[in-house]
Amino acid sequence: NAGVTQTPKFRVLKTGQSMTLLCAQDMNHEYMYWYRQDPGMGLRLIHYSVGEGTTAKGEVPDGYNVSRLKKQNFLLGLESAAPSQTSVYFCASSYSRGFMNTEAFFGQGTRLTVV
Amino acid sequence: QQQVKQSPQSLIVQKGGISIINCAYENTAFDYFPWYQQFPGKGPALLIAIRPDVSEKKEGRFTISFNKSAKQFSLHIMDSQPGDSATYFCAASVEGGGADGLTFGKGTHLIIQP
Repeated sequence: NAGVTQTPKFRVLKTGQSMTLLCAQDMNHEYMYWYRQDPGMGLRLIHYSVGEGTTAKGEVPDGYNVSRLKKQNFLLGLESAAPSQTSVYFCASSYSRGFMNTEAFFGQGTRLTVV
Repeated sequence: QQQVKQSPQSLIVQKGGISIINCAYENTAFDYFPWYQQFPGKGPALLIAIRPDVSEKKEGRFTISFNKSAKQFSLHIMDSQPGDSATYFCAASVEGGGADGLTFGKGTHLIIQP
């Protein structure tokens, strides 16, 4: 039972390069999320999806795009990486939204450095 | 605009002591308050959660205390152990609408000294 798997675990990009972070979940969850974690800033929501084919903006969406073509996958894209996007990125999924006892399951994170 | 304020930012507790982490929220529509525990190099994992119709929830050594009128909730770790050393995040969400996902506090780095 893999849960939520993120690929890659580490990446170094040069400013202006593009890349895609992949998130895969095997729990048949409807909701998926991308967060970024920065020191002293907690976890901030970038984008989320409430089902296959849907996406929506979170708190800090600028500079990122997402796609949810398959229910189990949620992709986060950086079209032109900037040093301000250096962060640890976490994908999460949940069965439903905001209900009591709804647990968000997190991946192990992707550490991205933009130089 | 930070909707969930967490304190302290860091905390050092002796083994066997009580660790207390506090959170305050602004949005009265929040109705689900989980705490997440994160070990270095790992993603956060749900530790314990509470809904606002109860004032306290206990699971083993971990207790959430909730004060609806003050819009505050706290995590108490009794008999703290070195294995409890981690970063703890409080969070809040709204059932059925509003901001999606969880709104997190900024985290508390807890160190339990042996």
